[in-house]
Amino acid sequence: EVQLVESGGGLVQPGRSLRLSCAASGFTFDDYAMHWVRQAPGKGLEWVSGISWNSGSIGYADSVKGRFTISRDNAKNSLYLQMNSLRAEDTALYYCAKLGLPGGLVGWFDPWGQGTLVTVSS
Amino acid sequence: QSVLTQPPSASGTPGQRVTISCSGSSSNIGSNYVYWYQQLPGTAPKLLIYRNNQRPSGVPDRFSGSKSGTSASLAISGLRSEDEADYYCAAWDDSLSGHVFGTGTKVTVL
Repeated sequence: EVQLVESGGGLVQPGRSLRLSCAASGFTFDDYAMHWVRQAPGKGLEWVSGISWNSGSIGYADSVKGRFTISRDNAKNSLYLQMNSLRAEDTALYYCAKLGLPGGLVGWFDPWGQGTLVTVSS
Repeated sequence: QSVLTQPPSASGTPGQRVTISCSGSSSNIGSNYVYWYQQLPGTAPKLLIYRNNQRPSGVPDRFSGSKSGTSASLAISGLRSEDEADYYCAAWDDSLSGHVFGTGTKVTVL
């Protein structure tokens, strides 16, 4: 069974940094692109970033470009999101998601983790 | 900011058919596959439809997807109480070089 477990969320002050992790199991991690998607409280889904199987292709939403960095460690079956210069509008539940087919960044997300909550507030 | 537009709500009685629209542009729906996700209250999103009209194993055939030009739609036939959820369309956007989601539609079973 594929499992994605996010961690690293919490309360952080504006301008500070936070690093999220996603531990993957139940599939060949280094075959698949991985993504981060967030959902602000009571709002819709917003794609944040994605990374291909070999880290050769990386993409970011304009809202986080230059502040967030996605990375992965295939030896540890783990995905990361380094979030710097955090703003109040970054407050959200952050989901990691596996791409539904091997290869690049484009495709469907299946499955999703349960999410880790990031709250940016002074 | 959502690039794909959906109606905020839809409703029906048990057994009825409900349709949700998703409007995009030539850079997303017009040139790429559409995906649909179901988010039950308090849970993570779940894949409902991929490649415009394909259902993953385990998704009932009451759910169907279609696409025409720069728009797509999700139909739920034989509506059931457990279908009460938020539904999101999504696609890759060539101009943004990223995934985009719809604004979301809350389905209520009356």
